[in-house]
Amino acid sequence: DIQMTQSPSSLSASVGDRVTITCRASQGISNSLAWYQQKPGKVPKLLISAASTLRSGVPSRFSGSGSETDFTLTISSLQPEDVATYFCQKYNSAPLTFGGGTKVEIK
Amino acid sequence: EVQLVESGGGLVQPGGSLRLSCAASGFSFSTYSMNWVRQAPGKGLEWVSCITSSSSTMYYADSVKGRFTISRDNAKNSLYLQMNSLRDEDTAVYYCARVGEFWFFDSWGQGTLVTVSS
Repeated sequence: DIQMTQSPSSLSASVGDRVTITCRASQGISNSLAWYQQKPGKVPKLLISAASTLRSGVPSRFSGSGSETDFTLTISSLQPEDVATYFCQKYNSAPLTFGGGTKVEIK
Repeated sequence: EVQLVESGGGLVQPGGSLRLSCAASGFSFSTYSMNWVRQAPGKGLEWVSCITSSSSTMYYADSVKGRFTISRDNAKNSLYLQMNSLRDEDTAVYYCARVGEFWFFDSWGQGTLVTVSS
């Protein structure tokens, strides 16, 4: 099975900073990658599908890139409401594996 | 508006059984594949199982294969997860989640907590 590895597992940044989260697949998955945001105590929310397609209503400061094995989620200017844990997920085939998550905090 | 409402969680002893349900509304349930995803306390997300729209195919994570059974009743707009031989490590919030043509999760329920403990 394909493994999904996220890094870092946590980060602390200042408001306005550019934040980058990495997700690596153990085998190529084309662009079959989604990103989710989970705020404390809340249900996960889909941010990005097909590696780079922003979902409706998601702020434009979020962006995704990558293909095959290496993917990134970027927050161009971190806002207080972006405090959350972010997960990647591969969906080219079952099992639909998630990365371990990246917890984003404000410094 | 898409709504997914889970029920059936609770406290169960190791080795016991539990059946979770998910009531769907606001979309054509019978045309979507459905999933269960779980999250242990303070941990990440773990996909558990998927069932296709017509119940023709079911998929399971290795961690639950042979113990959990996913099913659905399209006439009742409902998804189920029968969990047998429960272990401590099955303790988690269980979410019902929808996928479309591509299997990312575009809608989630609020989750139901399953606690396996003696």
